[in-house]
Amino acid sequence: ETGVTQSPTHLIKTRGQQVTLRCSSQSGHNTVSWYQQALGQGPQFIFQYYREEENGRGNFPPRFSGLQFPNYSSELNVNALELDDSALYLCASSSLNRGPGTEAFFGQGTRLTVV
Amino acid sequence: EDKVVQSPLSLVVHEGDTVTLNCSYEVTNFRSLLWYKQEKKAPTFLFMLTSSGIEKKSGRLSSILDKKELFSILNITATQTGDSAVYLCAVDNGGSNYKLTFGKGTLLTVNP
Repeated sequence: ETGVTQSPTHLIKTRGQQVTLRCSSQSGHNTVSWYQQALGQGPQFIFQYYREEENGRGNFPPRFSGLQFPNYSSELNVNALELDDSALYLCASSSLNRGPGTEAFFGQGTRLTVV
Repeated sequence: EDKVVQSPLSLVVHEGDTVTLNCSYEVTNFRSLLWYKQEKKAPTFLFMLTSSGIEKKSGRLSSILDKKELFSILNITATQTGDSAVYLCAVDNGGSNYKLTFGKGTLLTVNP
């Protein structure tokens, strides 16, 4: 158990709809990152939140947006859903530092299916 | 663009075999390389490597990093059916944020 929890675990949405996914980070961690994992692929970085602000973004369009709250929990919002958005969405919790490196701990993920 | 390549993409072995999984990378900066095991959904952390030549061990698993040749290997000895999973390699590019670039993973199947 990593202490990172995501909700919901599964979700089915229709093309064009909007969706909100939620993540509670591990205690003591101030950074949350979101990843999209398509079937048979490695996770791809969507964006990261640190101290309630976006702190880096991958190659995802603006319809992917997020929030981080004072308790370090986070939301991922996706507007105008497309079929290709069907994937496992993973939240990763870490403590941002500039040392030699730090581990990221992942939640169980939300399986999103767009029909 | 940062790139992580894992090989093989899939592997089938028998219980008791030893396996070696490979990960090569090209990144603009390097801070660390991480290995994860993914069985159903959540990738679970195995190792973080930052220095060349220092082996990390945990039970039957071990890993080492070569920063000159830009690769890492993950060894699993005396494999068990419970080792069946996707093994993911990721690199932290050391930027101002903490972004991991992942490979596609190696699907390991251990048959009894």
